Amino acid sequence: EAEVAQSPRYKITEKSQAVAFWCDPISGHATLYWYRQILGQGPELLVQFQDESVVDDSQLPKDRFSAERLKGVDSTLKIQPAELGDSAMYLCASRPRQGRAFFGQGTRLTVV
Amino acid sequence: GQQVMQIPQYQHVQEGEDFTTYCNSSTTLSNIQWYKQRPGGHPVFLIQLVKSGEVKKQKRLTFQFGEAKKNSSLHITATQTTDVGTYFCAQESYNTDKLIFGTGTRLQVFP
Repeated sequence: EAEVAQSPRYKITEKSQAVAFWCDPISGHATLYWYRQILGQGPELLVQFQDESVVDDSQLPKDRFSAERLKGVDSTLKIQPAELGDSAMYLCASRPRQGRAFFGQGTRLTVV
Repeated sequence: GQQVMQIPQYQHVQEGEDFTTYCNSSTTLSNIQWYKQRPGGHPVFLIQLVKSGEVKKQKRLTFQFGEAKKNSSLHITATQTTDVGTYFCAQESYNTDKLIFGTGTRLQVFP
Protein backbone atom coordinates (compact mmCIF):
# COMPACT_ATOMS: atom_id res chain seq x y z
CA GLU A 1 0.00 0.00 0.00
CA ALA A 2 1.26 3.50 -0.82
CA GLU A 3 2.47 5.50 2.15
CA VAL A 4 2.89 9.10 3.22
CA ALA A 5 6.58 9.80 3.77
CA GLN A 6 7.79 12.19 6.45
CA SER A 7 11.26 13.23 7.49
CA PRO A 8 13.01 13.48 9.80
CA ARG A 9 11.45 10.97 12.22
CA TYR A 10 13.01 12.72 15.19
CA LYS A 11 14.38 16.22 15.67
CA ILE A 12 15.97 17.85 18.68
CA THR A 13 16.53 21.57 18.43
CA GLU A 14 17.40 24.39 20.75
CA LYS A 15 14.83 27.06 21.37
CA SER A 16 15.05 30.06 19.06
CA GLN A 17 16.47 27.89 16.29
CA ALA A 18 14.70 27.18 13.00
CA VAL A 19 13.38 23.73 12.18
CA ALA A 20 11.72 22.25 9.10
CA PHE A 21 9.71 19.12 8.42
CA TRP A 22 9.06 17.51 5.06
CA CYS A 23 6.11 15.46 3.82
CA ASP A 24 5.58 13.55 0.58
CA PRO A 25 1.92 12.57 0.26
CA ILE A 26 0.49 9.65 -1.66
CA SER A 27 0.56 10.33 -5.38
CA GLY A 28 -2.66 11.83 -6.66
CA HIS A 29 -3.92 13.02 -3.28
CA ALA A 30 -4.88 16.64 -3.71
CA THR A 31 -5.59 17.28 -0.02
CA LEU A 32 -2.72 17.48 2.43
CA TYR A 33 -2.91 18.23 6.16
CA TRP A 34 -0.38 19.09 8.81
CA TYR A 35 -1.40 18.22 12.36
CA ARG A 36 0.32 18.78 15.69
CA GLN A 37 -0.21 16.18 18.38
CA ILE A 38 0.84 16.85 21.93
CA LEU A 39 1.36 13.72 24.01
CA GLY A 40 -1.95 12.43 25.33
CA GLN A 41 -4.05 14.67 23.11
CA GLY A 42 -5.74 14.38 19.73
CA PRO A 43 -4.21 15.68 16.48
CA GLU A 44 -4.78 19.42 16.10
CA LEU A 45 -5.14 20.69 12.55
CA LEU A 46 -2.53 23.33 11.70
CA VAL A 47 -2.93 23.75 7.95
CA GLN A 48 -4.80 22.20 5.05
CA PHE A 49 -3.78 22.33 1.39
CA GLN A 50 -5.82 21.63 -1.69
CA ASP A 51 -3.19 21.11 -4.38
CA GLU A 52 -0.79 24.04 -3.89
CA SER A 53 -3.34 26.34 -2.23
CA VAL A 54 -3.86 26.82 1.48
CA VAL A 55 -7.50 26.06 2.26
CA ASP A 56 -7.34 26.56 6.00
CA ASP A 57 -4.56 27.82 8.25
CA SER A 58 -6.72 29.37 10.95
CA GLN A 59 -4.94 27.43 13.71
CA LEU A 60 -1.41 27.97 12.42
CA PRO A 61 0.63 30.34 14.64
CA LYS A 62 1.68 32.50 11.73
CA ASP A 63 4.18 34.58 13.68
CA ARG A 64 6.48 31.56 13.80
CA PHE A 65 5.03 28.80 11.63
CA SER A 66 4.90 28.65 7.85
CA ALA A 67 3.85 25.94 5.42
CA GLU A 68 4.14 25.57 1.69
CA ARG A 69 3.29 23.08 -1.02
CA LEU A 70 4.78 24.78 -4.02
CA LYS A 71 4.05 22.29 -6.79
CA GLY A 72 1.03 20.74 -5.18
CA VAL A 73 2.94 17.61 -4.28
CA ASP A 74 5.32 17.53 -1.31
CA SER A 75 5.08 20.01 1.52
CA THR A 76 7.30 21.68 4.11
CA LEU A 77 6.34 22.96 7.55
CA LYS A 78 8.75 25.40 9.17
CA ILE A 79 9.03 26.82 12.67
CA GLN A 80 11.18 29.86 13.32
CA PRO A 81 12.02 30.47 16.08
CA ALA A 82 11.18 27.26 17.90
CA GLU A 83 9.83 27.54 21.45
CA LEU A 84 9.75 24.97 24.24
CA GLY A 85 5.98 24.62 23.84
CA ASP A 86 6.40 23.46 20.25
CA SER A 87 7.62 20.06 21.42
CA ALA A 88 5.14 17.60 19.93
CA MET A 89 4.57 15.08 17.17
CA TYR A 90 3.99 16.71 13.78
CA LEU A 91 1.84 14.53 11.55
CA CYS A 92 1.25 14.86 7.84
CA ALA A 93 -1.74 13.25 6.18
CA SER A 94 -3.11 13.12 2.66
CA ARG A 95 -6.43 12.03 1.27
CA PRO A 96 -8.37 11.77 -1.94
CA ARG A 97 -11.62 13.75 -2.22
CA GLN A 98 -14.03 12.70 0.59
CA GLY A 99 -11.99 9.59 1.29
CA ARG A 100 -9.99 8.34 4.21
CA ALA A 101 -6.88 10.12 5.44
CA PHE A 102 -3.52 8.40 5.27
CA PHE A 103 -0.99 9.46 7.89
CA GLY A 104 2.78 9.46 7.79
CA GLN A 105 4.89 8.19 10.69
CA GLY A 106 5.29 11.73 11.98
CA THR A 107 8.20 13.85 13.14
CA ARG A 108 8.75 13.97 16.89
CA LEU A 109 10.14 17.40 17.78
CA THR A 110 11.86 18.12 21.06
CA VAL A 111 12.80 21.71 21.78
CA VAL A 112 15.43 22.13 24.51
CA GLY B 1 -7.25 24.63 18.69
CA GLN B 2 -10.33 23.07 17.17
CA GLN B 3 -11.13 19.69 18.69
CA VAL B 4 -14.16 17.56 19.23
CA MET B 5 -15.14 16.09 22.57
CA GLN B 6 -15.01 12.37 23.08
CA ILE B 7 -16.01 10.51 26.20
CA PRO B 8 -14.65 8.88 28.18
CA GLN B 9 -11.08 10.16 28.13
CA TYR B 10 -9.74 6.88 29.48
CA GLN B 11 -11.15 3.40 29.93
CA HIS B 12 -9.49 0.44 31.58
CA VAL B 13 -11.22 -2.89 31.07
CA GLN B 14 -10.58 -6.53 31.80
CA GLU B 15 -10.03 -8.63 28.70
CA GLY B 16 -13.41 -9.91 27.52
CA GLU B 17 -15.36 -6.87 28.71
CA ASP B 18 -17.06 -4.51 26.28
CA PHE B 19 -15.98 -0.94 25.53
CA THR B 20 -17.76 2.08 24.07
CA THR B 21 -16.56 5.56 23.14
CA TYR B 22 -18.78 8.46 22.13
CA CYS B 23 -18.16 11.43 19.88
CA ASN B 24 -20.39 14.52 19.83
CA SER B 25 -20.65 17.53 17.54
CA SER B 26 -22.67 20.71 17.82
CA THR B 27 -23.13 20.81 14.05
CA THR B 28 -24.53 18.45 11.43
CA LEU B 29 -21.73 16.55 9.79
CA SER B 30 -21.08 15.41 6.25
CA ASN B 31 -19.43 12.26 7.52
CA ILE B 32 -17.46 10.93 10.44
CA GLN B 33 -14.37 8.76 10.43
CA TRP B 34 -12.80 6.65 13.14
CA TYR B 35 -9.08 6.07 13.63
CA LYS B 36 -6.98 3.98 15.99
CA GLN B 37 -3.56 5.02 17.23
CA ARG B 38 -1.36 2.47 18.94
CA PRO B 39 1.16 3.72 21.51
CA GLY B 40 4.07 5.29 19.63
CA GLY B 41 2.27 5.00 16.30
CA HIS B 42 0.27 7.19 13.97
CA PRO B 43 -3.51 7.26 13.45
CA VAL B 44 -4.80 4.45 11.24
CA PHE B 45 -8.16 4.63 9.52
CA LEU B 46 -10.87 2.25 10.73
CA ILE B 47 -14.09 3.31 9.03
CA GLN B 48 -16.14 6.14 7.54
CA LEU B 49 -19.85 6.72 8.22
CA VAL B 50 -21.85 8.88 5.84
CA LYS B 51 -25.56 8.16 6.14
CA SER B 52 -27.92 9.19 8.94
CA GLY B 53 -28.42 6.30 11.37
CA GLU B 54 -25.77 4.20 9.65
CA VAL B 55 -24.40 1.16 11.48
CA LYS B 56 -21.31 -0.67 10.31
CA LYS B 57 -19.55 -3.68 11.79
CA GLN B 58 -15.99 -4.89 11.57
CA LYS B 59 -15.69 -8.19 13.44
CA ARG B 60 -16.01 -7.17 17.10
CA LEU B 61 -16.26 -3.42 16.34
CA THR B 62 -19.63 -1.72 15.77
CA PHE B 63 -19.80 1.88 14.55
CA GLN B 64 -22.93 4.03 14.64
CA PHE B 65 -23.78 7.43 13.17
CA GLY B 66 -26.62 9.28 14.85
CA GLU B 67 -29.90 10.04 13.13
CA ALA B 68 -29.18 13.76 13.22
CA LYS B 69 -25.59 13.19 11.99
CA LYS B 70 -24.23 14.98 15.05
CA ASN B 71 -22.91 12.09 17.10
CA SER B 72 -21.28 8.73 16.71
CA SER B 73 -20.15 5.79 18.77
CA LEU B 74 -17.68 2.93 18.56
CA HIS B 75 -18.42 -0.25 20.49
CA ILE B 76 -15.99 -3.12 20.93
CA THR B 77 -17.41 -6.45 22.07
CA ALA B 78 -15.25 -8.76 24.17
CA THR B 79 -12.08 -6.67 24.17
CA GLN B 80 -8.70 -8.26 23.54
CA THR B 81 -5.24 -7.00 24.44
CA THR B 82 -4.72 -6.18 20.76
CA ASP B 83 -7.45 -3.53 21.08
CA VAL B 84 -5.18 -1.38 23.25
CA GLY B 85 -4.68 2.13 21.88
CA THR B 86 -6.39 5.48 21.52
CA TYR B 87 -9.53 5.73 19.41
CA PHE B 88 -10.27 9.02 17.66
CA CYS B 89 -13.28 10.22 15.77
CA ALA B 90 -12.65 12.73 13.00
CA GLN B 91 -15.39 15.03 11.86
CA GLU B 92 -15.94 16.55 8.47
CA SER B 93 -18.52 19.29 7.96
CA TYR B 94 -20.44 20.00 4.76
CA ASN B 95 -18.69 21.99 2.02
CA THR B 96 -15.24 21.42 3.43
CA ASP B 97 -12.51 18.79 3.46
CA LYS B 98 -11.44 19.95 6.90
CA LEU B 99 -10.92 16.90 9.13
CA ILE B 100 -11.13 17.75 12.82
CA PHE B 101 -10.09 15.08 15.29
CA GLY B 102 -11.68 14.33 18.61
CA THR B 103 -9.87 14.36 21.92
CA GLY B 104 -9.65 10.58 21.84
CA THR B 105 -10.45 7.74 24.20
CA ARG B 106 -7.50 5.77 25.48
CA LEU B 107 -8.30 2.09 25.98
CA GLN B 108 -6.25 -0.15 28.23
CA VAL B 109 -7.06 -3.85 28.38
CA PHE B 110 -5.84 -6.00 31.23
CA PRO B 111 -5.37 -9.72 30.58
